[in-house]
Amino acid sequence: DIQMTQSPSSLSASVGDRVTITCRASQGISNSLAWYQQKPGKAPKLLLYAASRLESGVPSRFSGSGSGTDYTLTISSLQPEDFATYYCQQYYSTPPTFGQGTKVEIK
Amino acid sequence: QLQLQESGSGLVKPSQTLSLTCAVSGGSISSGGYSWSWIRQPPGKGLEWIGYIYHSGSTYYNPSLKSRVTISVDRSKNQFSLKLSSVTAADTAVYYCARGGELVHAYDYWGQGTLVTVSS
Repeated sequence: DIQMTQSPSSLSASVGDRVTITCRASQGISNSLAWYQQKPGKAPKLLLYAASRLESGVPSRFSGSGSGTDYTLTISSLQPEDFATYYCQQYYSTPPTFGQGTKVEIK
Repeated sequence: QLQLQESGSGLVKPSQTLSLTCAVSGGSISSGGYSWSWIRQPPGKGLEWIGYIYHSGSTYYNPSLKSRVTISVDRSKNQFSLKLSSVTAADTAVYYCARGGELVHAYDYWGQGTLVTVSS
């Protein structure tokens, strides 16, 4: 299985901050990467797929980049509704695997 | 608007079989181009993919669970199901059903999730 490692595990930030979350795969995944946002008690919500393609309806302050084994989710200007836990997921090979999550908290 | 809704027993005894169903509305599970998955999340922990089924009925399971998992589809009811046998406390989790692409297994529609507790 491909292991996905996110960093940091948690972060504190203020409204308006630029936030970056990193996801590293244990082998190359050719941009076969999705990012999700999950709020307490809710199902995950797809934000991006193919590393950088924004899912329909997702605000443009969310962006993704990367290649090979290293990928990044960036929130350009953190909004109150963005405080949540974020997960990356590779779908390059079966089984699909998720990172352990990054919790974004209010500073 | 596609909607997925999980249902099933919320409490299962150790060694028994967990059974859940995901009812799909707003679209046909028989249309091509999609996979239909089960994903779980133990309380306070991360996400684990269990397996998926295609409209054709082909299935793929997580090797870590493969010996205990069965996913099936009922096209007449537009739903798919999960059975997980020989459960232990480690199987306690919120279970989600979700839709992915046939080739791009990113999950764009999810059920709200159902908590299954394994306890005697």
